[in-house]
Amino acid sequence: NAGVTQTPKFQVLKTGQSMTLQCAQDMNHEYMSWYRQDPGMGLRLIHYSVGAGITDQGEVPNGYNVSRSTTEDFPLRLLSAAPSQTSVYFCASRRGTGGAFFGQGTRLTVV
Amino acid sequence: DAKTTQPNSMESNEEEPVHLPCNHSTISGTDYIHWYRQLPSQGPEYVIHGLTSNVNNRMASLAIAEDRKSSTLILHRATLRDAAVYYCILGETSGSRLTFGEGTQLTVNP
Repeated sequence: NAGVTQTPKFQVLKTGQSMTLQCAQDMNHEYMSWYRQDPGMGLRLIHYSVGAGITDQGEVPNGYNVSRSTTEDFPLRLLSAAPSQTSVYFCASRRGTGGAFFGQGTRLTVV
Repeated sequence: DAKTTQPNSMESNEEEPVHLPCNHSTISGTDYIHWYRQLPSQGPEYVIHGLTSNVNNRMASLAIAEDRKSSTLILHRATLRDAAVYYCILGETSGSRLTFGEGTQLTVNP
């Protein structure tokens, strides 16, 4: 049981490049979320999903797209990377009213 | 979203109990109270959650006020490995939103 798996762990992008952060969970959780955490700050919700085919915006959605074609996968796409998107990104999954499980994060630097 | 208020930082001594407070005066009747912790350079880790009654698990206890406007996370015997940022969060039962605040930085002194 791998839990929540995020890839890659580290990434450096040039301004204007696009990329997809991958998130997969093997616990059959219906809820999945993406957060970003800037240095010394708390986590901010980017996008979330309550099931396959259903997504919604969180606190800071601008510059990011998501899709949820399967229960297991919830990729986060950066459309045109900007230095302000330098951050650590965490994916989480959860079932019903239970506690959330988080991945180990993707550390992204945009230069 | 209902908000939570926590002290920025707290200190404890090793092997002593720690009581981490959280205020959530605008909590709705169906919001669960979640606690997570984050060790340096790691993702958040689930600690405990509850709705109305006090809850215990192997990591901690959660004491919820009768009016649900506040709660306390109790670590019964702090260890150096408990030094982390602790987040108190309200979880909507109708969706997957968990909105984090700034949390409490717990320092454990040997």
